[in-house]
Amino acid sequence: DTAVSQTPKYLVTQMGNDKSIKCEQNLGHDTMYWYKQDSKKFLKIMFSYNNKELIINETVPNRFSPKSPDKAHLNLHINSLELGDSAVYFCASSQDKTTLPGYTFGSGTRLTVV
Amino acid sequence: KQEVTQIPAALSVPEGENLVLNCSFTDSAIYNLQWFRQDPGKGLTSLLLIQSSQREQTSGRLNASLDKSSGRSTLYIAASQPGDSATYLCAPKETSGSRLTFGEGTQLTVNP
Repeated sequence: DTAVSQTPKYLVTQMGNDKSIKCEQNLGHDTMYWYKQDSKKFLKIMFSYNNKELIINETVPNRFSPKSPDKAHLNLHINSLELGDSAVYFCASSQDKTTLPGYTFGSGTRLTVV
Repeated sequence: KQEVTQIPAALSVPEGENLVLNCSFTDSAIYNLQWFRQDPGKGLTSLLLIQSSQREQTSGRLNASLDKSSGRSTLYIAASQPGDSATYLCAPKETSGSRLTFGEGTQLTVNP
């Protein structure tokens, strides 16, 4: 009964490869997000989708492309992976209008580029 | 641009102590503020959410206060336990959208 689930949990890949991370939420939330946590543990927003529409697009290389086929799914595709892309990527969801419990995060995908 | 600072960066205490974790933010125009805990190698668990119109929220041994005008929030943990050991993150949510801005967190260790 996981509320926000991401796959895979771990991803090790070589530089230059293309990879995708999938995210699904079963909370009925309107908005989904991708956050990146770097080696210094700082969490920063990358993208946000509301009902399949992109509403936040931070200064992220265009090698990163989110895709939301429906409001319960938000996938992240990364082209031409670089060493600096190594991080933990978190998917999250929330209601458009804030209600408890607010944001709900997935357990993260640890990406290692070698 | 919202900036969030959490003090202290790390804290190590013996079991049973009462603790105060501090969070300050630069833009007081927030919709709400959420406190999370993150265990090593894990995701974020929501602890408390305070609406901008509220002053505090309580859940069990946790109490969070919010002083929006001064850009401050505190998380009070009563009678700390080893299971409370984790990184605690505060994150105000902007009013104009749905973005959370995170601090670097306070890494708490409660020693038995």
